[in-house]
Amino acid sequence: AQTVTQSQPEMSVQEAETVTLSCTYDTSESDYYLFWYKQPPSRQMILVIRQEAYKQQNATENRFSVNFQKAAKSFSLKISDSQLGDAAMYFCAYRSDSGGSNYKLTFGKGTLLTVNP
Amino acid sequence: KAGVTQTPRYLIKTRGQQVTLSCSPISGHRSVSWYQQTPGQGLQFLFEYFSETQRNKGNFPGRFSGRQFSNSRSEMNVSTLELGDSALYLCASSLRLAGGPVGELFFGEGSRLTVL
Repeated sequence: AQTVTQSQPEMSVQEAETVTLSCTYDTSESDYYLFWYKQPPSRQMILVIRQEAYKQQNATENRFSVNFQKAAKSFSLKISDSQLGDAAMYFCAYRSDSGGSNYKLTFGKGTLLTVNP
Repeated sequence: KAGVTQTPRYLIKTRGQQVTLSCSPISGHRSVSWYQQTPGQGLQFLFEYFSETQRNKGNFPGRFSGRQFSNSRSEMNVSTLELGDSALYLCASSLRLAGGPVGELFFGEGSRLTVL
């Protein structure tokens, strides 16, 4: 079974600075997707960024980018120019691309990000 | 386009009771997944429904069940509630073609269940 580990329960960053959230995963599969989701205090989970394992290029969405290291099974999220609205719980998630397991996400335990003004 | 709507947002039950939670997916989405979120266990997959059929189920006891209607709305039911069932129950909808993978998940705000 796949596992996702987020080793940083909490992180803090000053507004306008950069922060990196870590995520490692364990899988024997070669085809899969990785995601970062954000859950603000209002609780609605929002997709921040996704990465297909077959793509070597790291995904980028505005101020959010990832560092995907397939061999190391590492998938970190970098938030540049942090804003107060970035404060939330961030979850790293894995989804298999194989027919038998492509229906669910496996989540890490989350990292609570605080943004200080 | 309206997002995923879950009702009720908050509810309090006592041990032994049962509860039904509702989820209306984004229009056009035929797949509805349910997740349980607790501080200790994190987010865990409950089940997924597609075209009114449960396609996949997580590792939860039979007290947890669900169904999906022809309009893709879904309900989940928990019978004989236990204290440990206190959690945030999240519903997510996605576009999914028959036989294809679950696509990007769009989550609702969740239903917070407290069992006393």
